[in-house]
Amino acid sequence: DAGVIQSPRHEVTEMGQEVTLRCKPISGHNSLFWYRQTMMRGLELLIYFNNNVPIDDSGMPEDRFSAKMPNASFSTLKIQPSEPRDSAVYFCASTRLGSNEQFFGPGTRLTVL
Amino acid sequence: AQSVTQPDIHITVSEGASLELRCNYSYGATPYLFWYVQSPGQGLQLLLKYFSGDTLVQGIKGFEAEFKRSQSSFNLRKPSVHWSDAAEYFCAVGRMDSSYKLIFGSGTRLLVRP
Repeated sequence: DAGVIQSPRHEVTEMGQEVTLRCKPISGHNSLFWYRQTMMRGLELLIYFNNNVPIDDSGMPEDRFSAKMPNASFSTLKIQPSEPRDSAVYFCASTRLGSNEQFFGPGTRLTVL
Repeated sequence: AQSVTQPDIHITVSEGASLELRCNYSYGATPYLFWYVQSPGQGLQLLLKYFSGDTLVQGIKGFEAEFKRSQSSFNLRKPSVHWSDAAEYFCAVGRMDSSYKLIFGSGTRLLVRP
């Protein structure tokens, strides 16, 4: 099993640019989570999906953030326009419904200049 | 509301010494409890979990944790620390419903002296 795959691993962009982060969950997992990790705020849940449907997006900081899961094997987190305060490590995690044990990807380190 | 407190931001131990990382949670019922480890530049890896049953749970890499309902605690222990254990450790609590959300503590960074 390849585990949760995230791309890119590192992203450096300029303020105002659109950023798209990608995630491929573990095959057979039907819940997917997006987290953001910063020194100041720790690990925060942004949004999660069950069976490709967004269930709770209360952690999404602003309308600049959006997430989609068009199918069971792919999800995106988009920031448009990006700002320097969005700089963080973004993690994707997946789990099987009923399991409650989340498997994390390696993360995407985003730097917005 | 659920919450997780890890009171120690940093802990330094000597290699070979024992380790205990503290975790306290707030939850209205019996929670799911987890410990994750994050090495520098890596994602989080599950060390162990508690759902029910025996309150002393064994995990990977020689770690164990004990659930104490009366103290609302789930402390992580290891009898003899290795240099490779240096990392950040996160305690998390999950809800026993269909949401599958985890609430993470702020983490404890473990430093190991040679």
